[in-house]
Amino acid sequence: DGGITQSPKYLFRKEGQNVTLSCEQNLNHDAMYWYRQDPGQGLRLIYYSQIVNDFQKGDIAEGYSVSREKKESFPLTVTSAQKNPTAFYLCASSGRQGNEKLFFGSGTQLSVL
Amino acid sequence: KQEVTQIPAALSVPEGENLVLNCSFTDSAIYNLQWFRQDPGKGLTSLLLIQSSQREQTSGRLNASLDKSSGRSTLYIAASQPGDSATYLCAPSINAGKSTFGDGTTLTVKP
Repeated sequence: DGGITQSPKYLFRKEGQNVTLSCEQNLNHDAMYWYRQDPGQGLRLIYYSQIVNDFQKGDIAEGYSVSREKKESFPLTVTSAQKNPTAFYLCASSGRQGNEKLFFGSGTQLSVL
Repeated sequence: KQEVTQIPAALSVPEGENLVLNCSFTDSAIYNLQWFRQDPGKGLTSLLLIQSSQREQTSGRLNASLDKSSGRSTLYIAASQPGDSATYLCAPSINAGKSTFGDGTTLTVKP
């Protein structure tokens, strides 16, 4: 079945630690996105990529990093510089460099120990 | 910067009612607008996508309209059911899929 797979479902971070969230899609989409969702709020864009080996900062990129070495994969690293990382992280993808419907993964809940 | 407002923030209705969810946005130069459904602790499911050149889209009991010039969209749900209970988010896109999300409307349909 085609779709977006995010892992892990739950993740815990210790102070000073970097953690990486995985996002894989088999929809053959060009564009991929990372969003952060805080309780009771909408989604805010962290990073996006329209093509392999290229990505741009979104509205809240500080403390995060990404890579896009393969079309299918867009991992997000939450660095120790992100002081308030507890949130629900959602990965999405879209065809034709972002001008089509957005498809979402099931999300990763990140909490700080 | 695009700002998106969804009214009401929460809505509770008895089963069978027709209802309207509202979305307004400040930058009318959008490519498209998408409505999503989110169940607690889950990802988002796309309901309807309206391109900037379209006025409305329909899928089953759902109808979404778009008035780009006034920066408004509505989602109409006919004959609501308890299974429709969820949070509904709208997201206009201004550039290459960069969508801005509202905070959502949380709908509860009582049996």
